[in-house]
Amino acid sequence: TQLLEQSPQFLSIQEGENLTVYCNSSSVFSSLQWYRQEPGEGPVLLVTVVTGGEVKKLKRLTFQFGDARKDSSLHITAAQPGDTGLYLCAGPVQNNDMRFGAGTRLTVKP
Amino acid sequence: KAGVTQTPRYLIKTRGQQVTLSCSPISGHRSVSWYQQTPGQGLQFLFEYFSETQRNKGNFPGRFSGRQFSNSRSEMNVSTLELGDSALYLCASSLDSALWENTGELFFGEGSRLTVL
Repeated sequence: TQLLEQSPQFLSIQEGENLTVYCNSSSVFSSLQWYRQEPGEGPVLLVTVVTGGEVKKLKRLTFQFGDARKDSSLHITAAQPGDTGLYLCAGPVQNNDMRFGAGTRLTVKP
Repeated sequence: KAGVTQTPRYLIKTRGQQVTLSCSPISGHRSVSWYQQTPGQGLQFLFEYFSETQRNKGNFPGRFSGRQFSNSRSEMNVSTLELGDSALYLCASSLDSALWENTGELFFGEGSRLTVL
């Protein structure tokens, strides 16, 4: 059982559509991070959410941290082919021990 | 500023052999973490080193080991390779305690893709 559960596992949409992916846990986290990984590369940090209820926006990406700090969501508006990739959420367990969800593999078709 | 460098990028081994992977962190980063990534299990935490000491360890058998040198470079070793060890092994560096204090991030290398035949 993953500490962080992500859904959906796969998502294939057309360019211009909106989408939301989820990251859930039964544990409380001091913060959660979202990373994006493209083929042949390592994950790259998109955002860190720290405060329960926090909403952060990065251009067309909106990240939310649940009030209880057990879950987070990523919403993409008007998806583009360049958004294609593996989206991973991660949370610190102790020190620099970061645990990752299995990820949502997003494909945006032109 | 140079990123995290992992070598080799690709390697093929046979069952029973052993393998050593290398990771050079970003200059100034003293924490190095290792992850195994597979399609079925995702990113699984192996261990984290800081100042040549293993601080955290994931749920992997003793065949998986690592070390960190005084210049923060790290190596991981897998002995008696099994088919299931085929994976992308990712190294990440970060500033000490920055993640726990919600102020930092993991900087990943491109990974070493291991295939066990």
